[in-house]
Amino acid sequence: DVKVTQSSRYLVKRTGEKVFLECVQDMDHENMFWYRQDPGLGLRLIYFSYDVKMKEKGDIPEGYSVSREKKERFSLILESASTNQTSMYLCASRNRGSANYGYTFGSGTRLTVV
Amino acid sequence: QKEVEQDPGPLSVPEGAIVSLNCTYSNSAFQYFMWYRQYSRKGPELLMYTYSSGNKEDGRFTAQVDKSSKYISLFIRDSQPSDSATYLCAMSLAGGTSYGKLTFGQGTILTVHP
Repeated sequence: DVKVTQSSRYLVKRTGEKVFLECVQDMDHENMFWYRQDPGLGLRLIYFSYDVKMKEKGDIPEGYSVSREKKERFSLILESASTNQTSMYLCASRNRGSANYGYTFGSGTRLTVV
Repeated sequence: QKEVEQDPGPLSVPEGAIVSLNCTYSNSAFQYFMWYRQYSRKGPELLMYTYSSGNKEDGRFTAQVDKSSKYISLFIRDSQPSDSATYLCAMSLAGGTSYGKLTFGQGTILTVHP
């Protein structure tokens, strides 16, 4: 089974801190994604990467950046954390050649910014 | 208007009931339709996948797509307490520059009572 591992389940950070969320997948998937999940809003795409060193903005990229230096690792960076970035962050990966377009998700990182 | 609309519920049913979950969408270019199930404190997992219009059945689960009405449904027969979860619809364009990007509904919280 594909595994997508997010480094932290829970994080508490202070306003203004630079925050790194790490995601690692073990099945050589080309595509990787970062979503945030908020009640009543569902999953919203922040950034995605279709291959190493490639990145594309999603629907809500403001205040975030990403890094993909190795195929298995996709990092989400909050440049200066704010309270409105308190959320559940979900990483996912996908085999570009997959016929079903299905993602494999990590278990999420619940970030609280105080 | 959101591109994908899903009633967030919550929906509460007795064990053994038939459950109907629905989503509507506005982008007629969507071709791939998925249902994800998300248990508490877990990432979403792919439950059902359908390409274009039609029905697909997998055990107690049936997914329906009506592209003419821009409406998709998930039916759960003989619902069990273990079906209690948040159900997310998701959809994707056929290809091109989409890179498998998914657009999600808000999710419906389902509770099945013993």
